[in-house]
Amino acid sequence: GDSVTQMEGPVTLSEEAFLTINCTYTATGYPSLFWYVQYPGEGLQLLLKATKADDKGSNKGFEATYRKETTSFHLEKGSVQVSDSAVYFCALQVGGSQGNLIFGKGTKLSVKP
Amino acid sequence: NAGVTQTPKFQVLKTGQSMTLQCAQDMNHEYMSWYRQDPGMGLRLIHYSVGAGITDQGEVPNGYNVSRSTTEDFPLRLLSAAPSQTSVYFCASSTGQNNSPLHFGNGTRLTVT
Repeated sequence: GDSVTQMEGPVTLSEEAFLTINCTYTATGYPSLFWYVQYPGEGLQLLLKATKADDKGSNKGFEATYRKETTSFHLEKGSVQVSDSAVYFCALQVGGSQGNLIFGKGTKLSVKP
Repeated sequence: NAGVTQTPKFQVLKTGQSMTLQCAQDMNHEYMSWYRQDPGMGLRLIHYSVGAGITDQGEVPNGYNVSRSTTEDFPLRLLSAAPSQTSVYFCASSTGQNNSPLHFGNGTRLTVT
């Protein structure tokens, strides 16, 4: 079945370090891919998305490229800030799923000053 | 600009008690869903609805009931609470179209003793 696999956390970085959070997927057809972020005590917020192969989603300095050949959608940021500390979820939506998303297990990021 | 509103924020139940988690959205979204979030498990879909009068089961529906009498509201009922239902519950909505992102509420933290 359709699934999302994210790198295990937690990830701890110093401020201004480079961030990569790996995400790979298994899906029938051509899914849309999403990254969500969850700050402490809050619900999930959409961070970025990509809807077809080679699309790059970007927002707030974060980027992810939809790689069909490697079935991946890795999240990257060149210089993290303390305010980026949160849990990050990769998710996919298969066409015809009626809006349902399948989520990875989440990766907790802590950024130290 | 309320978005998705969940009540209550916190709830403690005794085993066997029943309760309803409320969810309302003001974006005229057709699609609404309930997820539960557990440590190390990510988000798992409980039930969803693609419009008023239509509901369907997700990945983990047992022990939960839903109804959708209006576009705005999608309550989740626990019929007889069990400790295994201790979790954080999130309601989400979207237009239901392909590539449409989910908008999440801030969650209800439920403890069953």
